[in-house]
Amino acid sequence: SQQGEEDPQALSIQEGENATMNCSYKTSINNLQWYRQNSGRGLVHLILIRSNEREKHSGRLRVTLDTSKKSSSLLITASRAADTASYFCATGPNNAGNMLTFGGGTRLMVKP
Amino acid sequence: ETGVTQTPRHLVMGMTNKKSLKCEQHLGHNAMYWYKQSAKKPLELMFVYSLEERVENNSVPSRFSPECPNSSHLFLHLHTLQPEDSALYLCASSQGRRVTGNQPQHFGDGTRLSIL
Repeated sequence: SQQGEEDPQALSIQEGENATMNCSYKTSINNLQWYRQNSGRGLVHLILIRSNEREKHSGRLRVTLDTSKKSSSLLITASRAADTASYFCATGPNNAGNMLTFGGGTRLMVKP
Repeated sequence: ETGVTQTPRHLVMGMTNKKSLKCEQHLGHNAMYWYKQSAKKPLELMFVYSLEERVENNSVPSRFSPECPNSSHLFLHLHTLQPEDSALYLCASSQGRRVTGNQPQHFGDGTRLSIL
C-alpha cells in the first residue's frame, strides 16, 4: 500500500508566490525525502530529513517533519516558472532492508 | 550529466518483440534499482540490486528479467510485453553496502516504453 500521500494533487500559483505541499504517511519512518521531477525527466533528490529532525532548509526550500502527526511539508518560497514540476515525498522505513516508498506526487505549475 | 544514464530514451515495441533497457551509473554506488512509473500511479519499485546481487523483487511478472553484471550496469530484459506495460521505466542508484530506504537515490531520465 502507498506509504506517502501528497496533498494537493495539483497546485497552480503565480511567480513570486510561495508554494506549500504536504505529505502524510502511515507507519513509523527513519527519514523522509522530497524529490522533484520535471516533465520527461527522472527524479531529482531535493532534501532528506531524518525522524529526529523537525525542520531543514536548502536554498528556497524548507521542509518540516511532524512525526506525531505523521506528516511533512515542503515550502518553496518566491517561486519561479522553473519550479514547475511534480514533487514527490518518499518515506524510508525503520525496518532495515526495506525500501523507500514514494507517494503519488503534487503537480506544481508556476505561472510567469 | 546526471550520473545515471539510461538508454534508449524512447522505445516502441510489439508484444512479441524482445528488447533490453540499459542503465549505467558513474557515481560509484553499490545499489541499483528499477522503477516503473505509470500515469496517475505512484512510483512502483520493480527490482533492487546491491553489489550485483538481487535483494528485492516486488512480484514483477516474469516477462521482465533484470540483469546486473557489475555494480555500474543494470539491464532490464523485456519479452512478450502487454499494452499495460507501457510506462516510463526509471533506473536509480544509491550509496551504501546495505540496501535501505535511508539514502538519497539518484535517477536516470528513464526509458519511455510504448507497447503496440
